[in-house]
Amino acid sequence: DAGVIQSPRHEVTEMGQEVTLRCKPISGHDYLFWYRQTMMRGLELLIYFNNNVPIDDSGMPEDRFSAKMPNASFSTLKIQPSEPRDSAVYFCASRRTVSTDTQYFGPGTRLTVL
Amino acid sequence: GENVEQHPSTLSVQEGDSAVIKCTYSDSASNYFPWYKQELGKRPQLIIDIRSNVGEKKDQRIAVTLNKTAKHFSLHITETQPEDSAVYFCAASIDGGSQGNLIFGKGTKLSVKP
Repeated sequence: DAGVIQSPRHEVTEMGQEVTLRCKPISGHDYLFWYRQTMMRGLELLIYFNNNVPIDDSGMPEDRFSAKMPNASFSTLKIQPSEPRDSAVYFCASRRTVSTDTQYFGPGTRLTVL
Repeated sequence: GENVEQHPSTLSVQEGDSAVIKCTYSDSASNYFPWYKQELGKRPQLIIDIRSNVGEKKDQRIAVTLNKTAKHFSLHITETQPEDSAVYFCAASIDGGSQGNLIFGKGTKLSVKP
């Protein structure tokens, strides 16, 4: 099992540019979560999907953020246009519906917006 | 919705001492309580979890206790070692059903001094 895969691991971009973060959940997992982590705000849930359908996007900070899950093995989080305050580590996590399981996190993408 | 409070935010102990981190939750329907450890620059990783049908669970030097009546749960680390230094997050959820997301506490930074 390869675990949750995220790319890129590091992204440096300039303010105003579009940023796309990618996630491949663990095979067989039907929940996918996007989190943002900063020193000030801790670990924040942005959005999560169940069977590729967005269930709760109330954590998405504003319209500049969007997320998609076109199939069971791929999701993207897009920021357009990016701003310096978006600098953070973005984690993707996945889990199965089976009640004995829990969330497994990917390695994260460290985003720096200059 | 669910709210999870975690204390203390920072904790410093001498190697060999015990460390205790406490969390409270607000939704009495919550029945699954995992703890994650996040080392510097790494992803959060599950270290132990407990479900509401048990009051205590142990795994070597780590134990978690749950008091459903008071709606609080605690992480206990005995004989602490420098490699226990990390940020620890508690979380709560209603396991199974339509709610797949964890509600995280703000984290506790544990420092173990040799």
